[in-house]
Formats: sequence, structure tokens, C-alpha cells
Amino acid sequence: QVQLVQSGSEVKMPGASVKVSCKASGSTSNSDTINWLRLAPGQGLEWMGWITSNTGKPTYAQGFAGRFVFSLDTSVRTTYLHINSLKSEDAAVYYCARIMDSAFDVWGQGTMVTVSS
Amino acid sequence: QSALTQPASVSGSPGQSISISCTGTRNDVGKYNHVSWYQRHPDKGPKLVLYEGKRRPSGISSRFSASKSGNTASLTISGVQSEDEADYYCCSYAGAGNYVCGSGTRVTVL
Repeated sequence: QVQLVQSGSEVKMPGASVKVSCKASGSTSNSDTINWLRLAPGQGLEWMGWITSNTGKPTYAQGFAGRFVFSLDTSVRTTYLHINSLKSEDAAVYYCARIMDSAFDVWGQGTMVTVSS
Repeated sequence: QSALTQPASVSGSPGQSISISCTGTRNDVGKYNHVSWYQRHPDKGPKLVLYEGKRRPSGISSRFSASKSGNTASLTISGVQSEDEADYYCCSYAGAGNYVCGSGTRVTVL
């Protein structure tokens, strides 16, 4: 059973950076692909992109290349989402999720990012 | 890609059947049989309830079923129960390694 555990809530000022972690445990595979999605207040679920566990290559959805950066540390089975130059519209709950059979089958519990001056 | 369109809210009495629509385009929902549905209770991560159109993960009630017609996919909950009260989201593969998800539907059990 694969589990994804995310880091805790963050409160940041506009212009700052934040790093959200997603640690995998259980029966993970080197071929697992970890996706990032976000849920902003009053908005729908947005797919942000993914990173492959074996190559570490990131793929970004339209609108998320640039300030959003995915990385991973295979030694601790952890994937990271870095958001630079935070804007108020980045305030959301960010989720990591594994993809299997074209569906997000395992999810982290979510990390709330608040952007406030 | 634009978000998939879902109704903002759907409600039903216990035991009734309710359906949630998920409308995309010919480039996502209409093209691929890779629509998935997720249930999200407050302050919890989403949970996969249906995938590849109609498949249910282990442990998901058979009350959940799905269908697709053209560019619109639908989730049906047969005999809705109080524990089904949650937000539901659809997602679809959109080609070239991309995915698109929906605006979300709040299900209320009256």
C-alpha cells in the first residue's frame, strides 16, 4: 500500500518562495509518476504537471512552467513543489498524487498555502 | 486546456439516484476513455472512485457507476447515502501527457 504524506500548512508573504514536500512510503516503484494538483478557493481542481521517479524529468501543465518547479530526492523518496515569487492567486491547497492507469490513485492529504501580507 | 465543466451542486434524498455530468471537448473527454472521478470530503485528500471510464478501485461501492456520451462523462450514485455527501471532481487525459480536471460538484444528501 502506497502512502503519500505532505508537509504542513504554510503562510507566506507575496513575493516569497515556498517548498511543499510529498514523501512516499510503502510499495512504491521507480517508475511511479508523481503529479501535483491544486484546489483554490472557488476554483476547480487544476492539474499542474508531474515528475517521474526514475528520471526526475518534470512536465508542466500550461500556465505552470516558470515559477513552479518540481524536484525529487530519491534517497528519501520525496518529491518537492517549489513555488517562487508567490502571488495572492497562488493561495490554494496543493496535492501530490500518484498516477496509475491514467488516474490519480493515491493522494497526499494536501498542503494549504496561504499568501498574505 | 480549459477546465471540464461540472454542475456546481447536485442534491438528492437518501436512496435516490443522482448523476453528475462532466463536459469536456473532443480533445479530452470525447477522445480518450480515461475519465476518472474523485470524492473529496472536507479537509481530506481526494479519493479515486472510478477510472478508465467505468472501473472501480477495490473497496469502492458498486453504487458508484460511470458512463460517457460524446464529450460528456457522467457519474451516477445509485441509492445515495449520507456518507456520499462530498465534493466530486472529474479528470480526463487530454493527450501528450496532459490532464485536465473539472470545476467540482457539491453533492448534498437531503
